[in-house]
Amino acid sequence: EVQLVESGGGLVQPGGSLRLSCAASGFTFSSYWMTWVRQAPGKGLEWVANIKQAGSEKYYVDSVKGRFTISRDDAKYSLYLQMNSLRAEDTAVYYCARAVQWAFDPWGQGTLVTVSS
Amino acid sequence: DIVMTQSPLSLPVTPGEPASISCRSSQSLLHSNRYNCLNWYLQKPGQSPQLLIYLGSSRASGVPDRFSGSGSGTDFTLKISRVEAEDVGVYYCMQGLQTPITFGQGTRLEIK
Repeated sequence: EVQLVESGGGLVQPGGSLRLSCAASGFTFSSYWMTWVRQAPGKGLEWVANIKQAGSEKYYVDSVKGRFTISRDDAKYSLYLQMNSLRAEDTAVYYCARAVQWAFDPWGQGTLVTVSS
Repeated sequence: DIVMTQSPLSLPVTPGEPASISCRSSQSLLHSNRYNCLNWYLQKPGQSPQLLIYLGSSRASGVPDRFSGSGSGTDFTLKISRVEAEDVGVYYCMQGLQTPITFGQGTRLEIK
């Protein structure tokens, strides 16, 4: 069974940092693009970042460029999102997902990041 | 950026009746491979989003055949032939053609 499990969320002060992790299983992780998508409380979905196989290409939404870094460790079947200089507007549930045929499937259960003093 | 616009934003439906959601993109989503890079997701209450339709009209694994996707270019439709109680939630369209990848605002389907 293909499974993605996020971790690392929590409460952080504005300006702080947090590193999210996504553990993958049930498929050959190194063969797929991976992505992070977030959802602010009561709001819709917002794509955050993509990473190609072997980390050879990375793309970000403008609002996180220079602050967030997506990375992967294929040997550990893990995806990461390093988030620095966090702002209140970064408060959201963060989902990792596998990219297949220009779509995202499946999604993890999500991890909540709250940026507040 | 490609803007995705869904309508309606709220959709009350009687069980057993059909339902339809429209999604329009500000640019064509037709890839050079002749596929439309348009996907539909359902986020049930308290759950993560799940893929329903990819490449405009292909049903994802395990998705009931009462769900169908159609359209090309900039105009797309998700149809449910007979709504069931388990179909409640928020439906999102998403374009995967170019970054930034963008989603529609979401359509909330509720049972009358």
